Amino acid sequence: AQRVTQPEKLLSVFKGAPVELKCNYSYSGSPELFWYVQYSRQRLQLLLRHISRESIKGFTADLNKGETSFHLKKPFAQEEDSAMYYCALMGAQKLVFGQGTRLTINP
Amino acid sequence: NAGVTQTPKFQVLKTGQSMTLQCAQDMNHNSMYWYRQDPGMGLRLIYYSASEGTTDKGEVPNGYNVSRLNKREFSLRLESAAPSQTSVYFCASRETGIGGYTFGSGTRLTVV
Repeated sequence: AQRVTQPEKLLSVFKGAPVELKCNYSYSGSPELFWYVQYSRQRLQLLLRHISRESIKGFTADLNKGETSFHLKKPFAQEEDSAMYYCALMGAQKLVFGQGTRLTINP
Repeated sequence: NAGVTQTPKFQVLKTGQSMTLQCAQDMNHNSMYWYRQDPGMGLRLIYYSASEGTTDKGEVPNGYNVSRLNKREFSLRLESAAPSQTSVYFCASRETGIGGYTFGSGTRLTVV
């Protein structure tokens, strides 16, 4: 079975501070992992794919197969980063999402 | 460049009423999906269609039916709405084997 766990429902940091949103997964095959972001009452947008290894809006995420993790990081948080973040795992033709983490950046 | 279009954006139903949520994509994607989003539960897959002519149950299919009308359109039907189906519904599509999903803007459904 495939499962994604985001242990923090809420995360609050100050502007300029580092941010790390945690994601752990369980999957027997080779995982394809994503981070999606949802700004207030908007559609979900793809933020990162682990395959592309790119940095979007200053965010990065590294797949750690040993720890089965795909944590999202940003060195300096900005107020516009406040949003809902979902980690997702692609397996068997469909995405499975974690419960989401609501990130709030305080001024 | 519409992407994935969902209608309606908002709907209020009475318990027992039926309705169909519409979804259309213009990206020629093979796969389409319906999710519901509830606070603290993330997004849960209701039904999906890996290709035109096929549909499969997801994690929470009870109380719903779907139709893959053609490659572009994938509708979700509530035959007899219940308050537990109050949620935000998202449709998504994906080109098989490539990349992530593209999501619609969602339908906010309230069942009273």
